[in-house]
Amino acid sequence: EAGVAQSPRYKIIEKRQSVAFWCNPISGHATLYWYQQILGQGPKLLIQFQNNGVVDDSQLPKDRFSAERLKGVDSTLKIQPAKLEDSAVYLCASSLDPSSWPQHFGDGTRLSIL
Amino acid sequence: GQNIDQPTEMTATEGAIVQINCTYQTSGFNGLFWYQQHAGEAPTFLSYNVLDGLEEKGRFSSFLSRSKGYSYLLLKELQMKDSASYLCAASYGGATNKLIFGTGTLLAVQP
Repeated sequence: EAGVAQSPRYKIIEKRQSVAFWCNPISGHATLYWYQQILGQGPKLLIQFQNNGVVDDSQLPKDRFSAERLKGVDSTLKIQPAKLEDSAVYLCASSLDPSSWPQHFGDGTRLSIL
Repeated sequence: GQNIDQPTEMTATEGAIVQINCTYQTSGFNGLFWYQQHAGEAPTFLSYNVLDGLEEKGRFSSFLSRSKGYSYLLLKELQMKDSASYLCAASYGGATNKLIFGTGTLLAVQP
């Protein structure tokens, strides 16, 4: 079974630029999560999708972050404009449904803001 | 808030046993996950406890006390490859299964 795929693995941009990350969950997984993991901290949930609908985006900084999952499969997370404090690893995870476990994680995108 | 507390760092010797503790807030709690994360890699699932007691899986065991808001991960016969960060995560929110992660415990296994 193929795992959660994410791209790119690494991204370096300057502050105030924009960036986008892509995630393809495990086939058949209806629930998709985006997490932000700052160095030395645990992952923090940014947004949770159930199919193409948003279940929880309470911790998503909506003035600069946006995410979509238009066809209920793959998803993109965008930051515009980026700030220095956005430097982190962005992890995508998926599960069959919100109540099933565990969540399976991708390798993440490491974002560095200069 | 739903704070998850675990030690920042631990050091242990190859072949020994180490216990990593985790405390969490009990209100709205569903279950407790442990993940292993090597540097630069994805978190990988180790265990899930929803009932009180000890769950054993090979060299790794996990314990939960729901009334005390306490869990631990026990690693036996430590190997060098066990050097990693161990993330405690509590599930809240009924059917939505929202995970709140601790900061992780960085375990260094020494020869």
